[in-house]
Parts: sequence; structure tokens; C-alpha cells
Amino acid sequence: GAVVSQHPSWVICKSGTSVKIECRSLDFQATTMFWYRQFPKQSLMLMATSNEGSKATYEQGVEKDKFLINHASLTLSTLTVTSAHPEDSSFYICSARDLDSGGGLGELFFGEGSRLTVL
Amino acid sequence: GENVEQHPSTLSVQEGDSAVIKCTYSDSASNYFPWYKQELGKGPQLIIDIRSNVGEKKDQRIAVTLNKTAKHFSLHITETQPEDSAVYFCAASKSGGTSYGKLTFGQGTILTVHP
Repeated sequence: GAVVSQHPSWVICKSGTSVKIECRSLDFQATTMFWYRQFPKQSLMLMATSNEGSKATYEQGVEKDKFLINHASLTLSTLTVTSAHPEDSSFYICSARDLDSGGGLGELFFGEGSRLTVL
Repeated sequence: GENVEQHPSTLSVQEGDSAVIKCTYSDSASNYFPWYKQELGKGPQLIIDIRSNVGEKKDQRIAVTLNKTAKHFSLHITETQPEDSAVYFCAASKSGGTSYGKLTFGQGTILTVHP
């Protein structure tokens, strides 16, 4: 099946720094990607929808200036956590739609996640 | 918006037994219901999904049933094996346009299969 790759898989940074996480669709083009956040032992919460060539759509309560999303190509979306603080420590997961799968409806594939720890 | 409730939060079974996880959803417009398996430190992996035009779908030891009227759907795993142990999430979504893929997840069920 299709593969979605995230990088880095884990990152540790100091409070106040910015961290960029990449999400790549390796063998398909994705006009839409999604970014989720998952706290330990909790469910996945949608943060934003990343649209290729246009601005991301953020869910209610998610700070767009805090979590910058760029979807500059059909295979790459990036999430930048700006001025990170310990409360931003979490597991960030992206997903992408492969429009050529799922009988044309576009099966969703998830990345392996990126664990961010802010000291 | 959509709200998905999942039960139980933990489920412990003996190897070979069946496991059933249930979810309810609130938005009658939702028409796509995937189930994901998540192992520790990894992203969710799709194991089975069902669309609102069918009531049941089966793939080897895994089956999903959907009751649109009651707005609930269930995951059934038969002949469970220790490697089935993981966290399982149900989700709901509406298809069409960019809203497809915008999943609302249930709270998750920790399944433990004892040898």
C-alpha cells in the first residue's frame, strides 16, 4: 500500500526554539494532508487540514501562529511548532489521501508519527 | 460537529476468544467508518473500514458491522492472537471534497490478548 513518511521520528528541543516536522507521501500525490496530535494514552485530535498551494484550515482552538503548516508540493507538508514549550510535547501524526486508492474515494494513510519533547 | 464514543476503554481476552469493540457517532451525515490499530510509538494502521451503503464487512478474522439507524458500528475480532494486542480506534468521517479524511476518532480501546 501507499506509504506516508514522517521525519524526524523523534526530536528533543529546548523551550523557545522552533521545530519542523515533515510529512511526505512517498508513492502518491496528496493534495490534502491532515495533522493530528496525540497525548499519551489519549486519542488523536485533528489539528489542521493542509491543502496544497493554499492556506491550511485549522480546527477550533488550534493556534495557527503557533503551529505553522506549509504544503508546498503534492508530496510534502510541514508542521512547524514555533517557540515550543513543554506543553507542546506530544506525538504528532500526519495522514494523506491517495485519491487513486479506495475505489476512487481516496484511502487515508498515516505516517509513523513524530514524538516531540520540549525541555 | 461529530462526536464518537468508543467502548470499552480496555478489553482483556484469552487467546482464541472473540473481541468486540463498539462505537457510536452523533452526525447522521457521517458515511465512512474506519478502524485503526495502533501499536506503541507508531502511527495508526487501517485494519478495516465500512461505508454507509453496507451493513457488514469481513476480512478474515476481522469484521465490522454498521447500524445507521442507531448510529453505531462495531469491530469484531475472532480467534484472537497475542499479536492482536494493541490500541484500537474507531473513527467517523463524511466523504466528499476535502472533508473526506477529516476523521473524528473514538477514545480508543486497549486490547490485551493473553496467551
